[in-house]
Amino acid sequence: AQTVTQSQPEMSVQEAETVTLSCTYDTSESDYYLFWYKQPPSRQMILVIRQEAYKQQNATENRFSVNFQKAAKSFSLKISDSQLGDAAMYFCAHAGGTSYGKLTFGQGTILTVHP
Amino acid sequence: EADIYQTPRYLVIGTGKKITLECSQTMGHDKMYWYQQDPGMELHLIHYSYGVNSTEKGDLSSESTVSRIRTEHFPLTLESARPSHTSQYLCASSPPTVIGTDTQYFGPGTRLTVL
Repeated sequence: AQTVTQSQPEMSVQEAETVTLSCTYDTSESDYYLFWYKQPPSRQMILVIRQEAYKQQNATENRFSVNFQKAAKSFSLKISDSQLGDAAMYFCAHAGGTSYGKLTFGQGTILTVHP
Repeated sequence: EADIYQTPRYLVIGTGKKITLECSQTMGHDKMYWYQQDPGMELHLIHYSYGVNSTEKGDLSSESTVSRIRTEHFPLTLESARPSHTSQYLCASSPPTVIGTDTQYFGPGTRLTVL
């Protein structure tokens, strides 16, 4: 069974600064996918970034980037130049290659952005 | 944001009532999912479907049932609501892929309160 652990229940950052959210996972599969989702208060969950495990290059999407350490089973999210709109709950998620799209989520990290 | 809809957004109902939470998507996605999420907590998969007439139970045991008669529609039913069913219910869908997994798009959720 897969497990995903986010050890930071809450994080805060000043506007325009950088913050890193941590995520570790455990899986027995060799082929899998990792995701970071963002859930703003009372709004829809949206995908922030996705990483295929077979790719060594870390994924980036504008101000969002990941540090994927496959051997350590670590998948952290870095948000650069933080904006007020980044405030949300962030979930790390894993989908095994044989899970046919089923996601296992971490506990979530609440990110507060201070002006 | 993705074209996936959930109704109602909020529902307060008495114990013992039968309820149906609606989920529809207009993207032609074959895979659809239902998650249960308590406030500020992680998401747990309760049902999923890989296509019409296909439904499976997820990792978290649930007294709810689902059906998939049409590609775009994946309703969730509780025959007799109880206070323990109070939670947020999120619907998601993902497109067909030969890889076996892909990004999930989430609806806005239904907040259910059973008195």
